[in-house]
This record gives sequence, structure tokens and C-alpha cells, in this order.
Amino acid sequence: GNSVTQMEGPVTLSEEAFLTINCTYTATGYPSLFWYVQYPGEGLQLLLKATKADDKGSNKGFEATYRKETTSFHLEKGSVQVSDSAVYFCALLTGNQFYFGTGTSLTVIP
Amino acid sequence: DTAVSQTPKYLVTQMGNDKSIKCEQNLGHDTMYWYKQDSKKFLKIMFSYNNKELIINETVPNRFSPKSPDKAHLNLHINSLELGDSAVYFCASSQGWTRQETQYFGPGTRLLVL
Repeated sequence: GNSVTQMEGPVTLSEEAFLTINCTYTATGYPSLFWYVQYPGEGLQLLLKATKADDKGSNKGFEATYRKETTSFHLEKGSVQVSDSAVYFCALLTGNQFYFGTGTSLTVIP
Repeated sequence: DTAVSQTPKYLVTQMGNDKSIKCEQNLGHDTMYWYKQDSKKFLKIMFSYNNKELIINETVPNRFSPKSPDKAHLNLHINSLELGDSAVYFCASSQGWTRQETQYFGPGTRLLVL
């Protein structure tokens, strides 16, 4: 079946630290991969996406590369800010249906 | 200008009651969705409507009934509320069934069943 597994949180980092949130997937066919972000009290927003193997999605300093060989789509940012504090969801789209991971809560402290 | 709006934002009610959550989108999208996010932040699709027709109906108790009076609205009615229904419910919309990556989410409705 189709599923997404992402690292458990919560994650707490100091400002300007390096961030990695791991995400691996299981899917039939050739899924598209996404990272969504949920800021406190708000709905999910698309952060970045990649639609085929070796594609790199990037936005607001965040990056993730679609790795078919390791079935992974890890989220990275070189220097986090307090404003990055949110819950991050990895997701895949296949067969016209989304599958979300359980979310990873990130808190960045000054 | 809110793209996807939900009302109410918070809903506290007793077990056994019937309640509705409304969703409206002003983006001109054809497809709308309801998701449930549980206390562990797990987000799961419940329903999807395309041009007012039901496309996805996941394994959801039949106490939950979506209603789409027009393409811009997808309301969620819940009968005989149970404690386990407590969650955050998100509405979303996209440009079409084949453009789900364009989903826009509403701010969520926090339902607490006592």
C-alpha cells in the first residue's frame, strides 16, 4: 500500500541551526512528493514539491530531493529562524489521492 | 480575502448532539475535501467532491455526511457525536481532481465533544 513515514517530533533547535526532517515513503507507481507546513492556528500550506526522481523542491530556504533509490524526501534548511516554528507534513500523491505523514513539530528558540 | 474559510472555528458540544461545519472557497475551484486531524497530528482524508459529486468516501462512520449545495461549498454534518470525534477538521479545495497538488487548506475547525 501507500504510506509516508516521517521522523517523530518534537524537534527543538536553536536559531541558525541546521534542520533535517526525515521522510520515507512506500508507493505504487510514480508518486509526487510534497512538504506541507502548518503554522499555529492555521491550515496546511504547500511548502515545496517534487514530481519525479532526482527533482529538488525548494522554497523559503527549505529543500528536499526526491530520491527513488532510497524512497526518501528529507526536508532540510541550513539556518532555521524562530518564524519556522510549525508542524511539517510529508505527503505523497498517487492515484489522485494524498497520503500524509503524521507531522513533525519544530520549535526554534532564539 | 480568505481563500478557504470554515465556520465555526471552535465547536464544543455534548455527546449525542448533531452539528455542522461549513466550508466555503472563493477560488473558483472544482474540487473540495474534508480531512480529519487527530490529537497526534495525523491527517486523513475523509471525503472529496468534484463538481458537487462525491469522489472519495474513506472509511468514515455514516454519522458523517458531507453536503455540497454548489461548487463553492462543502459542508460536513455529524450526527450523534461521540468522544472520538474530537479533532481538528480541515476543509481544502483544488483546481480540479487532477490538480490535487494545488490544494488550499482552510484554517481548521476544532471540535471538542464532551
